[in-house]
Amino acid sequence: DVKVTQSSRYLVKRTGEKVFLECVQDMDHENMFWYRQDPGLGLRLIYFSYDVKMKEKGDIPEGYSVSREKKERFSLILESASTNQTSMYLCASSLRAERRTGELFFGEGSRLTVL
Amino acid sequence: GDSVTQMEGPVTLSEEAFLTINCTYTATGYPSLFWYVQYPGEGLQLLLKATKADDKGSNKGFEATYRKETTSFHLEKGSVQVSDSAVYFCALSPTNFKTIFGAGTRLFVKA
Repeated sequence: DVKVTQSSRYLVKRTGEKVFLECVQDMDHENMFWYRQDPGLGLRLIYFSYDVKMKEKGDIPEGYSVSREKKERFSLILESASTNQTSMYLCASSLRAERRTGELFFGEGSRLTVL
Repeated sequence: GDSVTQMEGPVTLSEEAFLTINCTYTATGYPSLFWYVQYPGEGLQLLLKATKADDKGSNKGFEATYRKETTSFHLEKGSVQVSDSAVYFCALSPTNFKTIFGAGTRLFVKA
């Protein structure tokens, strides 16, 4: 069964802390994405990557960075967490060849609370 | 820019009722259209998709038809079950990598 695994389901952090969210996929997908999900706003794209060591800003990249050192792993980093980054974070992956028609495969999400 | 608008929820139905969740989009070019579903405590999963005008996507009794003339992709099911209670997201995929999602519609089905 194909799988996207996010390292933590629930995290509680303090303002100013550095936060790492890890995502691993076992489908050999080229594309990986980080979204945040907030009630009434749907999913908003933070960053994506279409190859190892490549990254592109999404619609709301401010306050975030990413790392893709290996094809299967895509990390989201909050350099200095703030309360407005309290949210559900969703990682997804897809095949490059199907970038218009193919589906996104999602992890179960990481719910981050920043106090 | 490209966008997706879907009806606000929550939608509350009794079991075996007919379901419609409206979705309209704005896009240049010829996007693919999707419905994703999120069950409680889980990530999103693809429910159905349509890649060109007049295509009908279907899965698990759900259907949606890609209507270019009305820029719509409404989700329908003839008889909902309690197990269909979830959040439903309409999405479009333009020619780049950025899938765009609607705000989501929460569905509650009562026994």
